[in-house]
Amino acid sequence: KAGVTQTPRYLIKTRGQQVTLSCSPISGHRSVSWYQQTPGQGLQFLFEYFSETQRNKGNFPGRFSGRQFSNSRSEMNVSTLELGDSALYLCASSATGAPTDTQYFGPGTRLTVL
Amino acid sequence: GQQVMQIPQYQHVQEGEDFTTYCNSSTTLSNIQWYKQRPGGHPVFLIQLVKSGEVKKQKRLTFQFGEAKKNSSLHITATQTTDVGTYFCALLGPGNNRKLIWGLGTSLAVNP
Repeated sequence: KAGVTQTPRYLIKTRGQQVTLSCSPISGHRSVSWYQQTPGQGLQFLFEYFSETQRNKGNFPGRFSGRQFSNSRSEMNVSTLELGDSALYLCASSATGAPTDTQYFGPGTRLTVL
Repeated sequence: GQQVMQIPQYQHVQEGEDFTTYCNSSTTLSNIQWYKQRPGGHPVFLIQLVKSGEVKKQKRLTFQFGEAKKNSSLHITATQTTDVGTYFCALLGPGNNRKLIWGLGTSLAVNP
């Protein structure tokens, strides 16, 4: 099976712009979670989608939003970008969405905000 | 809320030395997962522990879940340069909390 794919892999934006990141989970996986990773902050949970519904949400401002499509592909959107949004954004898919499931991570999208 | 502390934050060892990272929770856990992230890579699942006092081994890696299910450890025997990376624990609390809580990770550097 193909692994989790994320596009684009690298992105440079300026403050105030918005960005959309895409994640395609492993075939058959219905749960997609998004994480922000920055040095010193580890993995910060953004949100989780299962069957097109947001099931869990982390403590991020409303500028961060997401959605999931019927084919389980997911997108994450960040509006009005700030310098502090520069990070590696990882998505992870799991088979059933149960919290005990193994999370399979994609390679991430490296976002730089100038 | 639930808190997780992972120590040490960094560890620098000589190849062949042993290495241990610890993950401590403020609350009793239902399970714990360990992941490894190589430099420039993404987290990769290593193991999941669910039973009190459970010990699992993967070649030179030994994982242990505390008797009280509030802590866990990952021990690497005779480190190799391929062990370089950051090791994360991810905790799941009891009850209806469906979110994994991630430790900040332990970054391991190995001198050849």
